Amino acid sequence: EAQVTQNPRYLITVTGKKLTVTCSQNMNHEYMSWYRQDPGLGLRQIYYSMNVEVTDKGDVPEGYKVSRKEKRNFPLILESPSPNQTSLYFCASSLWGGGMGTDTEAFFGQGTRLTVV
Amino acid sequence: AQSVTQPDIHITVSEGASLELRCNYSYGATPYLFWYVQSPGQGLQLLLKYFSGDTLVQGIKGFEAEFKRSQSSFNLRKPSVHWSDAAEYFCAVGGATNKLIFGTGTLLAVQP
Repeated sequence: EAQVTQNPRYLITVTGKKLTVTCSQNMNHEYMSWYRQDPGLGLRQIYYSMNVEVTDKGDVPEGYKVSRKEKRNFPLILESPSPNQTSLYFCASSLWGGGMGTDTEAFFGQGTRLTVV
Repeated sequence: AQSVTQPDIHITVSEGASLELRCNYSYGATPYLFWYVQSPGQGLQLLLKYFSGDTLVQGIKGFEAEFKRSQSSFNLRKPSVHWSDAAEYFCAVGGATNKLIFGTGTLLAVQP
């Protein structure tokens, strides 16, 4: 079954404690992206990757890091989480390196609800 | 600037009634338009998409949307709503920007 898998689904952590949210896709997609969803703001892109070792900032990259060492995995790293990073996070992937939001479908993971206290 | 506006934050309809969710976009190039649905505790599922051609597109679960270039709109419709349609709906636009730009969402409640 084609899917994007995020882990963990729920996470409560304390300010400053480094954490990683994993994302894996089994569709051999080139393009992967992270979004955060906040009430009244919709989904905003954090980082994206057009292929292995190619990553770039989205609209709200501050406080986040990513890496793309393998095609299937795209972890999101919070080196020193702060309460304003409390949010619902989604990983997404799509086939073409030409970008998400073109004539290919984007597949989303089920989300990771992060609370930073 | 590229943007998507969903003017209705929350809508309540009765089961069996028709539904229209509004979406307006601002995009400098030819837009690729999408509607996604998010059920509670779930990820986003693609309902339908428009790239070109016929401006009335059919999607899953009985939904359809009409692209109106003159109005910069891509409204989502369903002739008869079911209780299972209660969810949050997001309109999004894409194209050459390497990302989907989402609206703020419309939360749909369905009354029995």
